[in-house]
Amino acid sequence: AQSVTQPDIHITVSEGASLELRCNYSYGATPYLFWYVQSPGQGLQLLLKYFSGDTLVQGIKGFEAEFKRSQSSFNLRKPSVHWSDAAEYFCAVAPSFTGGGNKLTFGTGTQLKVEL
Amino acid sequence: DTGVSQDPRHKITKRGQNVTFRCDPISEHNRLYWYRQTLGQGPEFLTYFQNEAQLEKSRLLSDRFSAERPKGSFSTLEIQRTEQGDSAMYLCASSLQGTAEAFFGQGTRLTVV
Repeated sequence: AQSVTQPDIHITVSEGASLELRCNYSYGATPYLFWYVQSPGQGLQLLLKYFSGDTLVQGIKGFEAEFKRSQSSFNLRKPSVHWSDAAEYFCAVAPSFTGGGNKLTFGTGTQLKVEL
Repeated sequence: DTGVSQDPRHKITKRGQNVTFRCDPISEHNRLYWYRQTLGQGPEFLTYFQNEAQLEKSRLLSDRFSAERPKGSFSTLEIQRTEQGDSAMYLCASSLQGTAEAFFGQGTRLTVV
């Protein structure tokens, strides 16, 4: 069965510092990969996605992620964090084959705190 | 279109009562998904529809849960005889078939007391 691991439950960074959130997945084939962000009491907003092609993908709010097939990883990065980035971040995978329904399997999330 | 809409945003109910949640997807999206999120966890898949057909149900969806999408537009999720373990955020998402990019609503927070 597919699974997603986000090894860091909490991360604290200073405003202006760089950020990297880790994500590893276990899947039979390369799935579709996503990062979502969730503010307290809110739904999820899609930050970026990887389907195929260039392994470095750009997203909204200055985020980027790099797909590394050899490491089964899809780490999220941002060069300079803003206080408004404080939220919970979820990595997710979905089947890439036709008929897979594209249902998402999520990691347990990483809570980001930003110190001013 | 303002995105995926869920109603109510919050629901407090007594154990044993039935509750129903509604989800209105993005209008042109033919796929609709329900997820459940408990505190400190990521969302977990419950079920999904393609148009009006319910194509997959998770083992998490016990017999007390039922979901419908009668005309292929809005969907309802009903929980009968609620238990304290049902307390969670229930999230709805929609997508276009084949795009894999799902858009989420704000969720319905259920508290069973």
